[in-house]
Amino acid sequence: NAGVTQTPKFQVLKTGQSMTLQCAQDMNHEYMSWYRQDPGMGLRLIHYSVGAGITDQGEVPNGYNVSRSTTEDFPLRLLSAAPSQTSVYFCASSLAGAQETQYFGPGTRLLVL
Amino acid sequence: DAKTTQPTSMDCAEGRAANLPCNHSTISGNEYVYWYRQIHSQGPQYIIHGLKNNETNEMASLIITEDRKSSTLILPHATLRDTAVYYCIVRVWGETSGSRLTFGEGTQLTVNP
Repeated sequence: NAGVTQTPKFQVLKTGQSMTLQCAQDMNHEYMSWYRQDPGMGLRLIHYSVGAGITDQGEVPNGYNVSRSTTEDFPLRLLSAAPSQTSVYFCASSLAGAQETQYFGPGTRLLVL
Repeated sequence: DAKTTQPTSMDCAEGRAANLPCNHSTISGNEYVYWYRQIHSQGPQYIIHGLKNNETNEMASLIITEDRKSSTLILPHATLRDTAVYYCIVRVWGETSGSRLTFGEGTQLTVNP
């Protein structure tokens, strides 16, 4: 198993550009989430999904869109990048269940100029 | 989810036990205590979790007080590779909200040779 994979590892954008951060998992996990981590801070939830076709907003959803057309993939779209979106983005997945733990990907470092 | 309070930083000598405290005085009966760690900006890694009983696995032990208002993560023989930020998280799992984690700022544990 590759676990949770994220691409790209690093990206530089100009203000106003759009892009999609990719996240995939091969563990047949129902739940997937996107977090962002700003320097010196903990992770904050952006969007999450409890299954294919179902998504919902987390703590900081503004400026981001998600979709879940398959169990394996959960892409995060930046509609019009802003410097405030400079951050490290982590994708996570888990099985359904009250005590299931989350597995995190290696992260995507995004710099918006 | 209940708020948690952790010390900002702690030091530990290599080979000694590292005891990381966490206060969660507003925890409710159906909330679990989870511990994750993040090594050098990698994706967070699950360590252990519990509801009200003490738990032990190959990585650590979790001691939860009888009133469940605080807990302690114990790394029995800390190594240099245990240097990381440790997050104490209290969460409720729900079928519609899935596996959502609310991260605080965590404790930076530095293991010294």
